[in-house]
Amino acid sequence: DQQVKQNSPSLSVQEGRISILNCDYTNSMFDYFLWYKKYPAEGPTFLISISSIKDKNEDGRFTVFLNKSAKHLSLHIVPSQPGDSAVYFCAATISNFGNEKLTFGTGTRLTIIP
Amino acid sequence: EPEVTQTPSHQVTQMGQEVILRCVPISNHLYFYWYRQILGQKVEFLVSFYNNEISEKSEIFDDQFSVERPDGSNFTLKIRSTKLEDSAMYFCASSESQLSSGNTIYFGEGSWLTVV
Repeated sequence: DQQVKQNSPSLSVQEGRISILNCDYTNSMFDYFLWYKKYPAEGPTFLISISSIKDKNEDGRFTVFLNKSAKHLSLHIVPSQPGDSAVYFCAATISNFGNEKLTFGTGTRLTIIP
Repeated sequence: EPEVTQTPSHQVTQMGQEVILRCVPISNHLYFYWYRQILGQKVEFLVSFYNNEISEKSEIFDDQFSVERPDGSNFTLKIRSTKLEDSAMYFCASSESQLSSGNTIYFGEGSWLTVV
C-alpha cells in the first residue's frame, strides 16, 4: 500500500539550474508533509516541511509546493549545487499531538552535473 | 547542533541471535521512534514511544521486537531472534513535540544490521 509515491527514481540536473522533485500521496488524511535528504550510509536529514493549510513554503534555495486537490507536492531547488546530489524522500503524516509517524516515499536520486 | 546518536554503526549477527541497537535521542525531545530501511527500499516506520510506553507500532514490529528506555537518555531496540530479512539500516529518531507546530523528526546516522 504505497500511500506516498515518488514516481521518478532518478533525476539529473545541470548545476545552477532548477531541480524539481515530485511526490504524490493517496491518503487524504495526511496534513503535514516533509522533505528529507539522504546520503548513503547516513540518516535522513530534514530539509523543509509544509502544513496542509499552506500551498507554499520557502527556505533559502528550497521551496515546497502543495496542491491538495491533486494530492501532489513538489520540492524546488534553485540554483542546484553539486552538494545537492543525494536521495530525496518526501514524507507525510497525520498530525497527532506530537506522536506522528512518517510515511515515506521511495525516494528520488538527484544528481547535479557540474 | 544537537543530534541523535546511534551505536553500533554496523553489526553482523548470526540468524537466531539477539541484537540490541542503542540510541541517544536529542536531550529535550519527548517522542522517540525507530524506522528501518531495507537495502533499495523505502524508509519504514517501526514504532513510536512516548511517556515510557509504545504509542504506535507497525505490522513489522512483531513479538520479536521490543523497545526500552532504560534510563533518562538511552532508547534501545531489541530483536530477540534475528532473521535474515531483518537485515536493514535501522534509524532512531526523536522529536520535541507536534510536527505541525514547526517541529521535525530528527534521525540518527543509522545502525546497519547484517544477519547471516
